[in-house]
Amino acid sequence: NAGVTQTPKFQVLKTGQSMTLQCAQDMNHEYMSWYRQDPGMGLRLIHYSVGAGITDQGEVPNGYNVSRSTTEDFPLRLLSAAPSQTSVYFCASGTGDTGELFFGEGSRLTVL
Amino acid sequence: AQSVSQHNHHVILSEAASLELGCNYSYGGTVNLFWYVQYPGQHLQLLLKYFSGDPLVKGIKGFEAEFIKSKFSFNLRKPSVQWSDTAEYFCAPGGDTGFQKLVFGTGTRLLVSP
Repeated sequence: NAGVTQTPKFQVLKTGQSMTLQCAQDMNHEYMSWYRQDPGMGLRLIHYSVGAGITDQGEVPNGYNVSRSTTEDFPLRLLSAAPSQTSVYFCASGTGDTGELFFGEGSRLTVL
Repeated sequence: AQSVSQHNHHVILSEAASLELGCNYSYGGTVNLFWYVQYPGQHLQLLLKYFSGDPLVKGIKGFEAEFIKSKFSFNLRKPSVQWSDTAEYFCAPGGDTGFQKLVFGTGTRLLVSP
């Protein structure tokens, strides 16, 4: 079972560059979300989606865009990377059937 | 808005010692509570959850947590830790949307020495 798959696992960007972190899940979960994890700050919610075509902002949405054209995919776009976006990003999906979030393995992003 | 506080940032224990990690939350409405664990080099996974009913919930690997509504607490416990419990533990309260929009605590890094 693939579960939640994130790509790439590692990425180095220069300030001002744009990129997309990919997230795909094969569990037919209606809910998907993106978190960033920074030392001493736990995980903070960036954006989330409760179904295809529906997205909303979390706690720290600035500098990020998302879209949800299919149930399976929930890409996170960095519009113009900044050093403050250096972090580990986690995608997670879930369903009310189990009331549980399933996380991907994370994407480590460094912005120089 | 809900918030969560984990009191211990780093905990070091010897094998067979008992563990209790504190978690307090602030949320006035219906609350659902979760503990997640992140083993070294791995992704987060659910340890246990509380939605309703018995306030003492049991999770995987011998962990349990007690929901004390009057104290807004959901402390994690294990009677006897093992070296393999070395990990980072996150408390996460959710509101009436359950597992959605979880607010995670800053985490407690547990090191168990053999």
